[in-house]
Amino acid sequence: SAVISQKPSRDICQRGTSLTIQCQVDSQVTMMFWYRQQPGQSLTLIATANQGSEATYESGFVIDKFPISRPNLTFSTLTVSNLSPEDSSIYLCSVEGGGLGYGYTFGSGTRLTVV
Amino acid sequence: AQSVSQHNHHVILSEAASLELGCNYSYGGTVNLFWYVQYPGQHLQLLLKYFSGDPLVKGIKGFEAEFIKSKFSFNLRKPSVQWSDTAEYFCAVNEAGGYNKLIFGAGTRLAVHP
Repeated sequence: SAVISQKPSRDICQRGTSLTIQCQVDSQVTMMFWYRQQPGQSLTLIATANQGSEATYESGFVIDKFPISRPNLTFSTLTVSNLSPEDSSIYLCSVEGGGLGYGYTFGSGTRLTVV
Repeated sequence: AQSVSQHNHHVILSEAASLELGCNYSYGGTVNLFWYVQYPGQHLQLLLKYFSGDPLVKGIKGFEAEFIKSKFSFNLRKPSVQWSDTAEYFCAVNEAGGYNKLIFGAGTRLAVHP
């Protein structure tokens, strides 16, 4: 199955700044997904990233706040911009594990605290 | 729109007790179903999945789940829990066919006491 390396694992950021999270996969994958897990809550999909095209954002999430890059089939970044305390969450990337029928693999997550 | 409902938010059991966690989904088409587990301080791991075929699916660590199409349910079961099963359990669904996004339930936090 695919192995994901997500960086940073955690960060504390000042209000108004931005944080860029990297997701590196050890194999080529078609789709990469970015999720947010707010404290004590479930996972909410932010956007789906295809290589070579713009990310598709879910309702309530916009590109200006969560710009995503997908330069190739093994890498993606999510930037959380203009940070506020409400952005304090765990952010996770996910990919298909090893083809259709395998399931989805998740990164270890980035715990963001905004102060 | 798809949605997933997990009925139990917190479950407390003693070791050796049986476990059943409820999961119902709302979607008009064909779906794939998943159960993920998140142990304290660790990342999400896939417990089991249903894509097609036998509706009784066996996963890792002695877990199983049964897909009942008529009830739109995919309940997770384990006959005898251990302290090490203490974790949060998430049911998820996506539309069948292709690499489609997962929709997660709210999660069930399970605490198993020795």
